[in-house]
Amino acid sequence: DAGVIQSPRHEVTEMGQEVTLRCKPISGHNSLFWYRQTMMRGLELLIYFNNNVPIDDSGMPEDRFSAKMPNASFSTLKIQPSEPRDSAVYFCASRPSVGGTEAFFGQGTRLTVV
Amino acid sequence: QQPVQSPQAVILREGEDAVINCSSSKALYSVHWYRQKHGEAPVFLMILLKGGEQKGHEKISASCNEKKQQSSLYLTASQLSYSGTYFCGTANRDNAGNMLTFGGGTRLMVKP
Repeated sequence: DAGVIQSPRHEVTEMGQEVTLRCKPISGHNSLFWYRQTMMRGLELLIYFNNNVPIDDSGMPEDRFSAKMPNASFSTLKIQPSEPRDSAVYFCASRPSVGGTEAFFGQGTRLTVV
Repeated sequence: QQPVQSPQAVILREGEDAVINCSSSKALYSVHWYRQKHGEAPVFLMILLKGGEQKGHEKISASCNEKKQQSSLYLTASQLSYSGTYFCGTANRDNAGNMLTFGGGTRLMVKP
């Protein structure tokens, strides 16, 4: 398996533009996580899906952020409109939905909003 | 709620030991430890599932005190390759151990 695949690896956009980050989890993994990493706050959990259903989105900063998982092999995180404070590295991770198993991270998307 | 890690940063000389602590406000189902090198994704080190359990990975080991809702990562005879940011992730009993939340990280620098 190629692991968790994220795209794009880097994204530079202007404030106010819509940004869509994409993630393909490892086949067979039922749980998918979106994290945001900044120096100040470390790895923040934004949203967690289990079997394509959003289970906990309490970490989503505000209504500008939305996430979907239309099927078991694809998820998106959308920011509309984007702001400079959204600049961060966004990681997607997946794991089997059995407690006690490791999570596998994608390589991340470095987002810069100017 | 994110687990709390301490210290936030550590500087060591090669061969020295270090301990990184992780504390959760909720009952633990499992504790995960990851290491991240600059510009890379976090990489899994080990997972602890039971209270009091200890595990090892090279000269890195960890323990978990379920009652205190705490875990510690022990780095023994540190090597240059140990440099990076260490994250503890916790899964809690109230979500059947599925949701994984990480702490703020501990930056470790090992100098020659």
